[in-house]
Amino acid sequence: QSALTQPPSASGSPGQSVTISCTGTSSDVGGYNYVSWYQQHPGKAPKLMIYEVNKRPSGVPDRFSGSKSGNTASLTVSGLQAEDEADYYCSSYAGSNNFVFGTGTKVTVL
Amino acid sequence: QLQLQESGPGLVKPSETLSLTCTVSGGSISSRNYYWGWIRQPPGKGLEWIGSISYSGSTYYNPSLKSRVTIYIDTSNNQFSLKLSSVTAADMAVYFCAKHYGDYVRGFDPWGQGTLVTVSS
Repeated sequence: QSALTQPPSASGSPGQSVTISCTGTSSDVGGYNYVSWYQQHPGKAPKLMIYEVNKRPSGVPDRFSGSKSGNTASLTVSGLQAEDEADYYCSSYAGSNNFVFGTGTKVTVL
Repeated sequence: QLQLQESGPGLVKPSETLSLTCTVSGGSISSRNYYWGWIRQPPGKGLEWIGSISYSGSTYYNPSLKSRVTIYIDTSNNQFSLKLSSVTAADMAVYFCAKHYGDYVRGFDPWGQGTLVTVSS
Protein backbone atom coordinates (compact mmCIF):
# COMPACT_ATOMS: atom_id res chain seq x y z
CA GLN A 1 0.00 0.00 0.00
CA SER A 2 1.37 3.42 -1.00
CA ALA A 3 1.10 6.60 1.04
CA LEU A 4 -1.82 8.87 0.18
CA THR A 5 -0.77 11.98 -1.75
CA GLN A 6 -1.05 15.41 -0.15
CA PRO A 7 0.38 18.76 -1.29
CA PRO A 8 3.55 19.58 0.66
CA SER A 9 2.32 22.99 1.70
CA ALA A 10 -0.71 25.28 1.89
CA SER A 11 -1.17 28.75 3.29
CA GLY A 12 -3.70 31.44 4.02
CA SER A 13 -4.11 34.69 5.89
CA PRO A 14 -5.93 34.88 9.22
CA GLY A 15 -9.66 34.62 8.69
CA GLN A 16 -9.31 33.00 5.28
CA SER A 17 -9.91 29.35 4.38
CA VAL A 18 -7.45 26.72 3.28
CA THR A 19 -8.27 23.35 1.73
CA ILE A 20 -5.93 20.35 1.72
CA SER A 21 -6.40 17.42 -0.64
CA CYS A 22 -5.63 13.77 0.01
CA THR A 23 -5.56 11.48 -3.02
CA GLY A 24 -5.59 7.72 -2.82
CA THR A 25 -7.10 4.88 -4.80
CA SER A 26 -10.29 2.86 -4.97
CA SER A 27 -8.65 0.47 -2.50
CA ASP A 28 -8.45 3.03 0.26
CA VAL A 29 -9.95 6.56 0.10
CA GLY A 30 -12.37 5.72 -2.68
CA GLY A 31 -13.41 2.39 -1.25
CA TYR A 32 -14.36 3.35 2.28
CA ASN A 33 -15.84 6.29 4.16
CA TYR A 34 -13.15 5.92 6.78
CA VAL A 35 -10.90 8.90 6.11
CA SER A 36 -9.46 10.68 9.13
CA TRP A 37 -7.41 13.85 9.49
CA TYR A 38 -4.77 14.72 12.07
CA GLN A 39 -3.17 17.99 13.18
CA GLN A 40 0.42 17.86 14.41
CA HIS A 41 2.29 20.76 15.94
CA PRO A 42 6.11 20.57 16.01
CA GLY A 43 7.38 18.07 18.55
CA LYS A 44 3.88 16.99 19.51
CA ALA A 45 1.72 13.96 18.92
CA PRO A 46 -0.91 14.07 16.19
CA LYS A 47 -4.46 15.02 17.20
CA LEU A 48 -7.55 13.60 15.54
CA MET A 49 -9.53 16.39 13.87
CA ILE A 50 -11.90 14.54 11.53
CA TYR A 51 -13.04 10.92 11.30
CA GLU A 52 -15.30 9.04 8.91
CA VAL A 53 -14.69 11.71 6.23
CA ASN A 54 -16.62 14.56 7.84
CA LYS A 55 -17.25 13.95 11.54
CA ARG A 56 -15.60 15.99 14.28
CA PRO A 57 -14.61 14.55 17.67
CA SER A 58 -15.87 16.45 20.66
CA GLY A 59 -13.85 19.61 21.24
CA VAL A 60 -12.72 20.14 17.64
CA PRO A 61 -13.89 23.55 16.35
CA ASP A 62 -16.46 23.53 13.57
CA ARG A 63 -13.99 25.57 11.52
CA PHE A 64 -12.59 22.17 10.55
CA SER A 65 -14.58 20.23 7.97
CA GLY A 66 -14.01 17.24 5.75
CA SER A 67 -15.37 15.90 2.50
CA LYS A 68 -14.68 13.25 -0.12
CA SER A 69 -15.21 12.83 -3.84
CA GLY A 70 -14.09 9.64 -5.51
CA ASN A 71 -10.53 8.82 -4.55
CA THR A 72 -9.80 12.28 -3.09
CA ALA A 73 -10.64 13.52 0.36
CA SER A 74 -10.31 17.13 1.51
CA LEU A 75 -9.90 19.01 4.76
CA THR A 76 -11.00 22.64 4.91
CA VAL A 77 -9.99 24.98 7.69
CA SER A 78 -12.18 28.07 7.70
CA GLY A 79 -11.49 31.29 9.57
CA LEU A 80 -7.78 30.50 9.84
CA GLN A 81 -6.19 31.27 13.17
CA ALA A 82 -2.54 31.42 14.16
CA GLU A 83 -2.86 28.22 16.17
CA ASP A 84 -3.96 26.34 13.04
CA GLU A 85 -0.39 26.53 11.72
CA ALA A 86 0.73 22.90 11.84
CA ASP A 87 1.28 19.77 9.78
CA TYR A 88 -1.85 17.94 8.69
CA TYR A 89 -2.05 14.26 7.78
CA CYS A 90 -4.89 12.30 6.26
CA SER A 91 -5.36 8.60 6.80
CA SER A 92 -7.65 5.99 5.34
CA TYR A 93 -8.71 2.48 6.14
CA ALA A 94 -7.34 0.36 3.31
CA GLY A 95 -9.17 -2.91 3.80
CA SER A 96 -7.96 -6.16 5.38
CA ASN A 97 -7.49 -4.36 8.71
CA ASN A 98 -4.83 -2.04 7.22
CA PHE A 99 -4.37 1.72 7.41
CA VAL A 100 -2.45 4.14 5.22
CA PHE A 101 -1.41 7.69 6.00
CA GLY A 102 -0.90 10.67 3.73
CA THR A 103 2.39 12.36 2.96
CA GLY A 104 1.50 15.39 5.08
CA THR A 105 0.83 19.07 4.41
CA LYS A 106 2.41 21.99 6.21
CA VAL A 107 -0.14 24.76 6.71
CA THR A 108 1.25 28.25 7.17
CA VAL A 109 -0.81 31.15 8.47
CA LEU A 110 0.55 34.21 6.72
CA GLN B 1 -9.34 10.61 30.73
CA LEU B 2 -7.37 7.98 28.87
CA GLN B 3 -3.63 8.60 28.65
CA LEU B 4 -0.89 6.62 26.88
CA GLN B 5 2.85 6.68 27.53
CA GLU B 6 5.58 4.99 25.49
CA SER B 7 8.73 3.64 27.11
CA GLY B 8 11.79 1.70 26.03
CA PRO B 9 15.41 2.05 24.89
CA GLY B 10 16.17 5.13 22.87
CA LEU B 11 19.10 3.48 21.12
CA VAL B 12 19.11 0.15 19.29
CA LYS B 13 21.97 -1.43 17.35
CA PRO B 14 21.52 -2.43 13.71
CA SER B 15 20.23 -6.01 13.27
CA GLU B 16 18.92 -6.09 16.85
CA THR B 17 15.31 -6.00 18.07
CA LEU B 18 13.51 -2.79 19.01
CA SER B 19 11.21 -3.19 22.01
CA LEU B 20 8.75 -0.58 23.23
CA THR B 21 5.91 -0.62 25.73
CA CYS B 22 2.83 1.59 25.92
CA THR B 23 1.29 2.03 29.36
CA VAL B 24 -2.38 2.98 29.43
CA SER B 25 -3.86 4.92 32.33
CA GLY B 26 -7.33 6.21 32.99
CA GLY B 27 -9.05 3.13 31.61
CA SER B 28 -8.75 -0.60 31.11
CA ILE B 29 -6.80 -1.89 28.13
CA SER B 30 -9.03 -4.94 28.01
CA SER B 31 -12.32 -3.08 27.73
CA ARG B 32 -14.49 -4.71 25.11
CA ASN B 33 -14.08 -3.40 21.57
CA TYR B 34 -10.96 -1.38 22.36
CA TYR B 35 -8.14 -1.51 19.82
CA TRP B 36 -4.60 -0.22 20.27
CA GLY B 37 -2.03 0.74 17.65
CA TRP B 38 1.58 1.65 16.95
CA ILE B 39 2.48 4.37 14.44
CA ARG B 40 5.92 5.72 13.64
CA GLN B 41 7.37 8.88 12.11
CA PRO B 42 10.95 9.10 10.79
CA PRO B 43 12.56 12.48 11.53
CA GLY B 44 11.11 15.12 9.22
CA LYS B 45 8.86 12.61 7.47
CA GLY B 46 5.29 11.37 7.52
CA LEU B 47 3.38 8.87 9.62
CA GLU B 48 3.35 5.12 9.04
CA TRP B 49 0.96 2.66 10.65
CA ILE B 50 2.91 -0.30 12.07
CA GLY B 51 0.13 -2.46 13.44
CA SER B 52 -2.66 -2.83 15.97
CA ILE B 53 -3.98 -5.22 18.59
CA SER B 54 -7.45 -5.81 19.93
CA TYR B 55 -8.56 -5.98 23.54
CA SER B 56 -8.62 -9.77 23.16
CA GLY B 57 -5.16 -10.04 21.60
CA SER B 58 -5.96 -10.26 17.89
CA THR B 59 -3.22 -8.62 15.86
CA TYR B 60 -3.13 -6.72 12.57
CA TYR B 61 0.13 -5.70 10.91
CA ASN B 62 1.24 -3.44 8.07
CA PRO B 63 2.05 -5.87 5.23
CA SER B 64 5.36 -4.09 4.57
CA LEU B 65 6.53 -4.75 8.16
CA LYS B 66 4.65 -7.93 8.98
CA SER B 67 7.64 -10.25 8.83
CA ARG B 68 9.48 -8.25 11.52
CA VAL B 69 6.69 -7.03 13.82
CA THR B 70 5.09 -8.51 16.90
CA ILE B 71 2.53 -6.68 19.03
CA TYR B 72 1.22 -8.18 22.25
CA ILE B 73 -0.96 -7.12 25.14
CA ASP B 74 -0.37 -7.42 28.90
CA THR B 75 -3.69 -6.92 30.59
CA SER B 76 -2.28 -7.43 34.09
CA ASN B 77 -0.13 -4.30 33.70
CA ASN B 78 -2.50 -2.41 31.38
CA GLN B 79 0.18 -2.31 28.69
CA PHE B 80 0.73 -3.31 25.11
CA SER B 81 4.09 -3.73 23.46
CA LEU B 82 5.89 -3.63 20.13
CA LYS B 83 8.83 -5.70 18.96
CA LEU B 84 10.51 -4.94 15.64
CA SER B 85 13.30 -7.27 14.66
CA SER B 86 16.38 -6.85 12.46
CA VAL B 87 16.30 -3.07 12.61
CA THR B 88 18.20 -0.86 10.19
CA ALA B 89 18.75 2.87 9.92
CA ALA B 90 15.41 3.07 8.10
CA ASP B 91 13.66 2.13 11.35
CA MET B 92 14.91 5.22 13.16
CA ALA B 93 11.79 7.18 14.05
CA VAL B 94 9.55 8.59 16.73
CA TYR B 95 7.27 5.73 17.74
CA PHE B 96 3.77 6.58 18.91
CA CYS B 97 1.21 4.37 20.58
CA ALA B 98 -2.46 5.25 20.22
CA LYS B 99 -5.94 4.00 20.84
CA HIS B 100 -8.29 3.40 17.95
CA TYR B 101 -11.06 6.00 18.17
CA GLY B 102 -14.25 4.05 18.76
CA ASP B 103 -14.53 1.40 16.07
CA TYR B 104 -11.36 -0.10 14.60
CA VAL B 105 -11.71 1.80 11.33
CA ARG B 106 -12.30 5.35 12.58
CA GLY B 107 -8.72 6.40 13.23
CA PHE B 108 -6.52 7.00 16.24
CA ASP B 109 -7.12 9.07 19.37
CA PRO B 110 -5.68 9.66 21.89
CA TRP B 111 -1.95 9.28 21.20
CA GLY B 112 1.05 8.96 23.45
CA GLN B 113 3.67 11.69 23.33
CA GLY B 114 6.00 9.52 21.26
CA THR B 115 9.50 8.22 21.87
CA LEU B 116 12.50 8.61 19.58
CA VAL B 117 14.37 5.44 18.72
CA THR B 118 17.79 5.83 17.15
CA VAL B 119 19.40 2.94 15.29
CA SER B 120 23.17 3.11 15.53
CA SER B 121 26.12 0.97 16.50
